Amino acid sequence: EVQLVESGGGLVKPGGSLRLSCTASGFTFTRHTINWVRQAPGTGLEWVSSISSSSSYIFYADSVKGRFTVSRDNAKNSVILQMSTVRAEDSGVYYCARVNSAWYDAFDIWGQGTVVTVSS
Amino acid sequence: SYELTQSLSVSVTPGQTATITCGGNNIDGKNVHWYQQRPGQAPVLVMYKDNKRPSGIPERFSGSNSGNTATLTISRAQAADEADYFCQVWDSSHWVFGGGTRLTVL
Repeated sequence: EVQLVESGGGLVKPGGSLRLSCTASGFTFTRHTINWVRQAPGTGLEWVSSISSSSSYIFYADSVKGRFTVSRDNAKNSVILQMSTVRAEDSGVYYCARVNSAWYDAFDIWGQGTVVTVSS
Repeated sequence: SYELTQSLSVSVTPGQTATITCGGNNIDGKNVHWYQQRPGQAPVLVMYKDNKRPSGIPERFSGSNSGNTATLTISRAQAADEADYFCQVWDSSHWVFGGGTRLTVL
């Protein structure tokens, strides 16, 4: 089965750090760009970051640039989102999503999400 | 930065046609993707590149993109279509989502 599974969410204090993981299975991981998308409670989707298959292209939303770092380990079929200097507004469900380049880079597979709560 | 504008909500009765719009400056020059998100679930891709349906998405779902407005149309709406719908485009090395439209089928 093709799937993405996020992990690493939890409660973190403002100014703290958290490491999220996205583990893939059921497809050739090295062929796909992976994105992180978050959703604060009761709000819409916000794109966070994108990392290409070979890590050659990495992009961040302005709201997280300089605080979050994305990386991937193709040997472990995983993408890591390292969150630093977190703020209350970073709270929400974090999804990882696979890009389908044949479908004009639409996000065709999503994980179920991991919840991040930033609170003192 | 590029902005996508969606109506907050759309309501239809079962069997009617639901029209969900996504406004953006010259959006017809971009590839628009649409996602459906049911309560408590992850988003699901329902339309890519304006009007292409992924496998498994009913033919009742269709899309268009012209001028400053992209449109997702759901014909013969069903209770199962009740969800939030988000449009998405790529602009200046960023992915941009619309604010989302809640479709109510009652």
